[in-house]
Amino acid sequence: GIQVEQSPPDLILQEGANSTLRCNFSDSVNNLQWFHQNPWGQLINLFYIPSGTKQNGRLSATTVATERYSLLYISSSQTTDSGVYFCAVNSGGGADGLTFGKGTHLIIQP
Amino acid sequence: GAGVSQSPRYKVAKRGQDVALRCDPISGHVSLFWYQQALGQGPEFLTYFQNEAQLDKSGLPSDRFFAERPEGSVSTLKIQRTQQEDSAVYLCASSLLTGSPLHFGNGTRLTVT
Repeated sequence: GIQVEQSPPDLILQEGANSTLRCNFSDSVNNLQWFHQNPWGQLINLFYIPSGTKQNGRLSATTVATERYSLLYISSSQTTDSGVYFCAVNSGGGADGLTFGKGTHLIIQP
Repeated sequence: GAGVSQSPRYKVAKRGQDVALRCDPISGHVSLFWYQQALGQGPEFLTYFQNEAQLDKSGLPSDRFFAERPEGSVSTLKIQRTQQEDSAVYLCASSLLTGSPLHFGNGTRLTVT
């Protein structure tokens, strides 16, 4: 099946800093989503972005499907941004579920 | 309701007991998924429903796991004869259509002792 690699695995930043999280995948995809799992375990959908660029407030994402990677940008980090960020993909071909990466654990310090 | 609702929030079972986990998806969402998340890992796909039809159960780890969605709305994940390795958070998610943005519930944390 498709492989998903996320980097870095861990990231510690001061409040106000910017960060870039990366997701590499091993096959072409027809579905790519970014999620934030907060410290209480709730998974929040951030972006549905199989290709192109989207922005939502301080967050933006870009997927370059031809080169098999996606980037999540967080600007002016806040402590509430802490948690684990997951990239999840589907390559189609009969597979219905999303395949998740191992995530990037982000800690924003005040 | 406004979001995906799962119950119970926590479940402790003795090894060998059967458990049933409930998921109430967002109203009108056709697609429903079950995922299993072990500590420190990303969610792993278990099974998928489109309305009442279970179209993919390739992720179910053994025949002790069974899921149903008889009326195309509420779904139940049943685990028979629980084992310690079944301890995990079980997440339910729904989407309007296959391939559209996925919305997760808060999960059920299962601990098998």
